[in-house]
Amino acid sequence: GQNIDQPTEMTATEGAIVQINCTYQTSGFNGLFWYQQHAGEAPTFLSYNVLDGLEEKGRFSSFLSRSKGYSYLLLKELQMKDSASYLCAVMDSNYQLIWGAGTKLIIKP
Amino acid sequence: GAVVSQHPSWVICKSGTSVKIECRSLDFQATTMFWYRQFPKQSLMLMATSNEGSKATYEQGVEKDKFLINHASLTLSTLTVTSAHPEDSSFYICSASSGETNTEAFFGQGTRLTVV
Repeated sequence: GQNIDQPTEMTATEGAIVQINCTYQTSGFNGLFWYQQHAGEAPTFLSYNVLDGLEEKGRFSSFLSRSKGYSYLLLKELQMKDSASYLCAVMDSNYQLIWGAGTKLIIKP
Repeated sequence: GAVVSQHPSWVICKSGTSVKIECRSLDFQATTMFWYRQFPKQSLMLMATSNEGSKATYEQGVEKDKFLINHASLTLSTLTVTSAHPEDSSFYICSASSGETNTEAFFGQGTRLTVV
């Protein structure tokens, strides 16, 4: 079966760095997405990785290792507004998005 | 990024009535649109995929006669929840893609449906 695993909840301090991990097992791979979702709102696109390595975009970076079925989202210089759920999604061989359950990130002052 | 507009943002309806949700791509042509449903504290669940001018492809367990999807143009898709029941209360989100491989899907704002 297809499976995306990510931690249910994480807590971090304002100004710090946090890494949210995602492991996946899917039928085929056509890229991995990270989305941010604030409560009651639709997800917002953060990043897309299809090749191994680190993609940096401002305070957010995303890493992918296809051989390990592993990705992480790295958030630096955390701000209170970063409190949200972070969704990992993998596009399978049929170009369907398989979604993780999301990681709720709580930022404390 | 591209803009996808979803309307209404929230709706309350009586049990047994039908509700239509619109999803529009404002600045690009969306060849493919996806409809998702999200229950509280759960992951997004794909309901159906629609390509312009053809019938939608529904995921297993989604009743096509209850959730009517129309993708009549490259900028508009609609989801109609027919004969709504309280268990249909959920957050419905559409996303649109201009490419075949959906390398980036742009999401609408979502519609919170409450059936009373």
